[in-house]
Amino acid sequence: NAGVTQTPKFQVLKTGQSMTLQCAQDMNHNSMYWYRQDPGMGLRLIYYSASEGTTDKGEVPNGYNVSRLNKREFSLRLESAAPSQTSVYFCASSVEGNTEAFFGQGTRLTVV
Amino acid sequence: AQRVTQPEKLLSVFKGAPVELKCNYSYSGSPELFWYVQYSRQRLQLLLRHISRESIKGFTADLNKGETSFHLKKPFAQEEDSAMYYCALQRGGSYIPTFGRGTSLIVHP
Repeated sequence: NAGVTQTPKFQVLKTGQSMTLQCAQDMNHNSMYWYRQDPGMGLRLIYYSASEGTTDKGEVPNGYNVSRLNKREFSLRLESAAPSQTSVYFCASSVEGNTEAFFGQGTRLTVV
Repeated sequence: AQRVTQPEKLLSVFKGAPVELKCNYSYSGSPELFWYVQYSRQRLQLLLRHISRESIKGFTADLNKGETSFHLKKPFAQEEDSAMYYCALQRGGSYIPTFGRGTSLIVHP
């Protein structure tokens, strides 16, 4: 039981390049999320998906797109990376209701 | 909209000293509150949640609805407690956690 798995763990991009961060969970959770973690800013929600086939914007969605490919997978895409998107990205999942969120190990992205 | 405030970015104590990490929230309904911990280079994990009233690794947190606070406490800090701590809120009926900015706890030997 791997929990929440993110790939890649590290990535360096040049300004303007695109990439997709992958996330998969094997806990049969309905809800999945993408957060970014920045010093002094804590965790900010980028996008979330309440269930397969639905996605919604969070607090900081600009510059990102997401796809809920199936119940297990929720990907985050940067179409044209900018230095302001340098951050650590966390994927998380949970069942519905007021239960804890389970996190992936994070992707450290640097845009130069 | 709900908001979680952690006023301290950094808390530095010596081993054996008491620790209190502050968390205040704004939400008009009945919230679910959590503390998550992130040890160096590891993923975030749940430390405790108010509804379970547990003591995990010696930490406790009491929900004070009058003061809208959910402070995390430990009577005697250990070096292995050094980590980033996040307070999180989920409003009633919602599943989306809102996080505070986090407090970095450093416990010196």
